[in-house]
Amino acid sequence: GNSVTQMEGPVTLSEEAFLTINCTYTATGYPSLFWYVQYPGEGLQLLLKATKADDKGSNKGFEATYRKETTSFHLEKGSVQVSDSAVYFCALSDRGNTPLVFGKGTRLSVIA
Amino acid sequence: DGGITQSPKYLFRKEGQNVTLSCEQNLNHDAMYWYRQDPGQGLRLIYYSQIVNDFQKGDIAEGYSVSREKKESFPLTVTSAQKNPTAFYLCASSARDRGSYGYTFGSGTRLTVV
Repeated sequence: GNSVTQMEGPVTLSEEAFLTINCTYTATGYPSLFWYVQYPGEGLQLLLKATKADDKGSNKGFEATYRKETTSFHLEKGSVQVSDSAVYFCALSDRGNTPLVFGKGTRLSVIA
Repeated sequence: DGGITQSPKYLFRKEGQNVTLSCEQNLNHDAMYWYRQDPGQGLRLIYYSQIVNDFQKGDIAEGYSVSREKKESFPLTVTSAQKNPTAFYLCASSARDRGSYGYTFGSGTRLTVV
């Protein structure tokens, strides 16, 4: 079946550091890929998405490129801020009627 | 503005009680979902519904029940059979083409057993 594996957290970085959160997936066909962010005590918000191979999703300085050859969708940001502290979830949709498949989430803490 | 509303934000349940969590959306989305999130954990799917008057069990449906009488509403009942109900509950919805747009989430309900 479909699955998503993302790096274990927590990840702690200093402000202005470079961020990478790894995400790899297993799926049949050509899934769509998503990154969601969850701030403390809140629901998840869509951060970015990519619907086909080599697409790059971007939002708020975050980027992720859909790499079919490595089945990956790693999240990156060049310079993190304290306000980026949150839990980040990678997810995939197989375009059928099945629910999205989520990774377990990676907690990011950014310290000033 | 369109969105998805969960209520209440905080809910306290006594042992042996059933409680119902509300989820309403005005996005005209066909599908709705309920997830449970425990501290430091990922999301676990409880139930989902693709269309009105139909729903499917997710990975952890035992001790929960749902209904989908209206497109806009997908309430979740946590029954007394759920032995460890303290958790953060998230409702989500999606358009038919969830592959393009993903989910929209509510802000969650935190349920505590007292």
